[in-house]
Amino acid sequence: DAGVIQSPRHEVTEMGQEVTLRCKPISGHDYLFWYRQTMMRGLELLIYFNNNVPIDDSGMPEDRFSAKMPNASFSTLKIQPSEPRDSAVYFCASSPRRTTYGYTFGSGTRLTVV
Amino acid sequence: AQKITQTQPGMFVQEKEAVTLDCTYDTSDPSYGLFWYKQPSSGEMIFLIYQGSYDQQNATEGRYSLNFQKARKSANLVISASQLGDSAMYFCAMRERNTGNQFYFGTGTSLTVIP
Repeated sequence: DAGVIQSPRHEVTEMGQEVTLRCKPISGHDYLFWYRQTMMRGLELLIYFNNNVPIDDSGMPEDRFSAKMPNASFSTLKIQPSEPRDSAVYFCASSPRRTTYGYTFGSGTRLTVV
Repeated sequence: AQKITQTQPGMFVQEKEAVTLDCTYDTSDPSYGLFWYKQPSSGEMIFLIYQGSYDQQNATEGRYSLNFQKARKSANLVISASQLGDSAMYFCAMRERNTGNQFYFGTGTSLTVIP
């Protein structure tokens, strides 16, 4: 199993540009989560999906952020337009349904908005 | 109220010594899981150990053990025989059955192992 795959690993973009982060969860995992990590705020849950359906997006900072999961093997997190304060590491994680299972995290995308 | 509290922002330990990283949690759900993750400087999040709320015994995984005190709602991580490679951030997390399987993370503890 290849694990959770995120792309790109690093992204540098100019303020105002659109940024798309991608995630492929582990096959068979019912849940997919997007987290943002910064020094100031630690790990923040942005949104999570269950069986491709968004369940809780209350952590999405504002309308500039959107996430989709068109099928069980792919999800995107889009920021449009990007701002310097969006600079962070964005993690995708997936998990089976049961509480006895932890998340499996992707390697993260380090986003820098200049 | 915070679901997960880690009160030690930074810890130091001598190589080969044992160290305990503190974690307390808050839940009214009788069914939950407690987890510890390690995040080295390279950035990836690595699962270390799991404890279920109904487990009678403390979880162990190699040099890692979880000191689970249910009445006190604490789930401390014990690392025995520390190694230089243990230097990292450590996050405690909880997953409740009644909140849609969302994870709650603590703010983390930065561990430095001194040679």
